[in-house]
Amino acid sequence: AQKITQTQPGMFVQEKEAVTLDCTYDTSDPSYGLFWYKQPSSGEMIFLIYQGSYDQQNATEGRYSLNFQKARKSANLVISASQLGDSAMYFCAMREGRYSSASKIIFGSGTRLSIRP
Amino acid sequence: NAGVTQTPKFQVLKTGQSMTLQCAQDMNHEYMSWYRQDPGMGLRLIHYSVGAGITDQGEVPNGYNVSRSTTEDFPLRLLSAAPSQTSVYFCASSSRGLTNEKLFFGSGTQLSVL
Repeated sequence: AQKITQTQPGMFVQEKEAVTLDCTYDTSDPSYGLFWYKQPSSGEMIFLIYQGSYDQQNATEGRYSLNFQKARKSANLVISASQLGDSAMYFCAMREGRYSSASKIIFGSGTRLSIRP
Repeated sequence: NAGVTQTPKFQVLKTGQSMTLQCAQDMNHEYMSWYRQDPGMGLRLIHYSVGAGITDQGEVPNGYNVSRSTTEDFPLRLLSAAPSQTSVYFCASSSRGLTNEKLFFGSGTQLSVL
């Protein structure tokens, strides 16, 4: 069965520093997708970045990058040059199977990131 | 461009009452799902659907029913509300046609069961 684990309930980081949010996953399916979402205090879910299991390179989206280590089954989110607006809950998620239309997507328990000015 | 629309935004129920949370998407997505988020917690999958007429259970399906008669709509029914079902409920959709097949989320329904 698929499983997502986020071991950091909360983190404090100084503004402008880089931060790494940990995510490990477990699946027996060779085809899967990994996502990161941000949830600010407003409650909306904001998509940040996606990594497919067959993608050769680590995904990047602006200040966000995904450190994908397939053998270790980890998909850590790296935020460079953190900003006060980055303070939020961050969720890692996984989809087993090649297409979302054929498989469920489950989420980790989240990491609350707080940026100090 | 409406996206995923959930109604109502807020609801208070008494224990034992039933109700339906509505979810509609206008993007022709084949995949739709319901999650619940308890305070300070992650999202847990209740039910999901990979197309009209097809539904399946997620991680926490007990006490909830779903149906998918059309591509656009995916209502969630609480059969007999319990205080343990107090939560924020999110509906989400996706499609294989998207580059990264990300989930599009509704704005959520805050449900309190007294």
